[in-house]
Amino acid sequence: EAGVTQFPSHSVIEKGQTVTLRCDPISGHDNLYWYRRVMGKEIKFLLHFVKESKQDESGMPNNRFLAERTGGTYSTLKVQPAELEDSGVYFCASSQVGKPNTEAFFGQGTRLTVV
Amino acid sequence: AQSVTQLDSHVSVSEGTPVLLRCNYSSSYSPSLFWYVQHPNKGLQLLLKYTSAATLVKGINGFEAEFKKSETSFHLTKPSAHMSDAAEYFCVVSSYSGGGADGLTFGKGTHLIIQP
Repeated sequence: EAGVTQFPSHSVIEKGQTVTLRCDPISGHDNLYWYRRVMGKEIKFLLHFVKESKQDESGMPNNRFLAERTGGTYSTLKVQPAELEDSGVYFCASSQVGKPNTEAFFGQGTRLTVV
Repeated sequence: AQSVTQLDSHVSVSEGTPVLLRCNYSSSYSPSLFWYVQHPNKGLQLLLKYTSAATLVKGINGFEAEFKKSETSFHLTKPSAHMSDAAEYFCVVSSYSGGGADGLTFGKGTHLIIQP
């Protein structure tokens, strides 16, 4: 069974450009999460989808970030326009709904560098 | 509010010697605690988790951790380090018992270096 996959693995863009990150969760996992690790800092929560609905987006840093999960399958995270401080590793995780203490499975992350 | 402090950014041990990665937490609720590992170019993998059952938790690859409420600690140990253990380790706390990746607060990570 495939795990959580993220595309691309690396992205280098110029300040002001737009970048879209994609996450494919494990099939059947209705929970999908985005986390981010900025250089030298902790991994921090961005937002949480249950199916196609945003359950919690309290971690989104500002309105330059837009996350979608149309159809409740894969998710995209768009940064527009990108700023230097957006550089970091973006992780996606998925888990099953309705199972207490269920494990979350993380992808390998997308390393975003804004120059 | 909850927080996690990983006391060492880097730990270096010789192959075959014990490993100790330290973690202290703060939580207003009865926490769930986790250790995740990230090998180079890989995703975060769950090593073990504590969810208010036994205080000594055994995980994969010979790792274990002990929940000590009085010390607010959840240190990760392994009796004998292997070269393949070289990775970055994250201590994580959650106040949500529902599981998944809800409400996870990560520590800054500890790089484990294994000397031959």
